[in-house]
Amino acid sequence: QVQLVESGGGVVQPGRSLRLSCAASGFTFSSYGIHWVRQAPGKGLEWVAVISYDGNDKNYADSVKGRFTISRDNSKNTLYLQMNSLRAEDTAVYYCAKDQSEMATIYPAYWGQGSLVTVSS
Amino acid sequence: QSALTQPRSVSGSPGQSVTISCTGTRSDVGGYNFVSWYQQHPGKAPKLMIYDVSKRPSGVPDRFSGSKSGNTASLTISGLQAEDEADYYCCSYAGSYTLVFGGGTKVTVL
Repeated sequence: QVQLVESGGGVVQPGRSLRLSCAASGFTFSSYGIHWVRQAPGKGLEWVAVISYDGNDKNYADSVKGRFTISRDNSKNTLYLQMNSLRAEDTAVYYCAKDQSEMATIYPAYWGQGSLVTVSS
Repeated sequence: QSALTQPRSVSGSPGQSVTISCTGTRSDVGGYNFVSWYQQHPGKAPKLMIYDVSKRPSGVPDRFSGSKSGNTASLTISGLQAEDEADYYCCSYAGSYTLVFGGGTKVTVL
């Protein structure tokens, strides 16, 4: 069955960097767009970034554009989120989510359990 | 990329129906038929309940239904059950591969 496992979260100081990973299994990873969505403690969902199945198309929320970079390695079935210049407001659980349909980037349908990132001095 | 507007909370008794609204703009909800709804129980990952405005993924009960008129989408839960108590989020495609979520609605079963 579809499985997405996020890792790399932790406590980091403001201004520092962190890289999240999302290991995928149970489906043809190279055929699906993947999203990052975050949720601050006690708050709602916020879409962060998306990458197309082949890695050629990406986009970001305005709140992270220029600081975060999404990438994927289809040979390793792994998605990444490089987060630079971290701010306190980036504190959240970060979920990776596989799109519902092959080659689409519209519906995060299958979600991992999330990785907590805490930005604090 | 402003968040879509949802009521903070709605409530109903078992067996009743509740409707959650989701208001956006012509740049998101009004401009595309790519609206989805997610259910999230405390401490759990979100679950896709509705996509393409009104379609249900396999396994989602048919008491969940979606619709859209202009810049506002709606999720209706008919025959409310105790397990439906959760947070619900709408989401819309907003062009150029971007998505925008609503602020979330807490559904309480009285």
